Amino acid sequence: TQLLEQSPQFLSIQEGENLTVYCNSSSVFSSLQWYRQEPGEGPVLLVTVVTGGEVKKLKRLTFQFGDARKDSSLHITAAQPGDTGLYLCAGVYAGNMLTFGGGTRLMVKP
Amino acid sequence: NAGVTQTPKFRVLKTGQSMTLLCAQDMNHEYMYWYRQDPGMGLRLIHYSVGEGTTAKGEVPDGYNVSRLKKQNFLLGLESAAPSQTSVYFCASSWDRFHEQYFGPGTRLTVT
Repeated sequence: TQLLEQSPQFLSIQEGENLTVYCNSSSVFSSLQWYRQEPGEGPVLLVTVVTGGEVKKLKRLTFQFGDARKDSSLHITAAQPGDTGLYLCAGVYAGNMLTFGGGTRLMVKP
Repeated sequence: NAGVTQTPKFRVLKTGQSMTLLCAQDMNHEYMYWYRQDPGMGLRLIHYSVGEGTTAKGEVPDGYNVSRLKKQNFLLGLESAAPSQTSVYFCASSWDRFHEQYFGPGTRLTVT
């Protein structure tokens, strides 16, 4: 089992729908990052959350860090085909290096 | 400003062959990383370096070796390739372990 569990693993929706993906752990993270990866490319950072309960917005994307800093969610409003990709959460805990979750693969159909 | 570059982009090896993947960054980052990405597994850390001349093992180091002789370069070596090493390999760099990692475009390796 992975330290960071992401759900769902796959999500296929129509353009205009809303969605939420989750990143959960039993460990406390000092910070958590969300990346998006498009086919044939490396991941690119979307946001970093640091404080428990923190909410950050990036246009139609809303990121939340759980109060206990063990989980995070990404909500997309009115999804567009350009949102298609692999969404990865990654966290730093204890004295360790950044650890990645397994990812959520999102497909938004026009 | 090229960011992080990787060579080659694709490679096919036969079992037992060796090869070296090259990563270069022009952001003066101290930290550099090698990951492998397999379906449903996210990114798993192979080896990393916290500065020139240093290397350390990550989560899945077996079968790989690394070197960081210059600050801007991080090399990943496979001495005797195995089919289990078929994967997409990503190099990344960052200021430290807390900050954003910048990734290269990846190398798709197939071992037959």
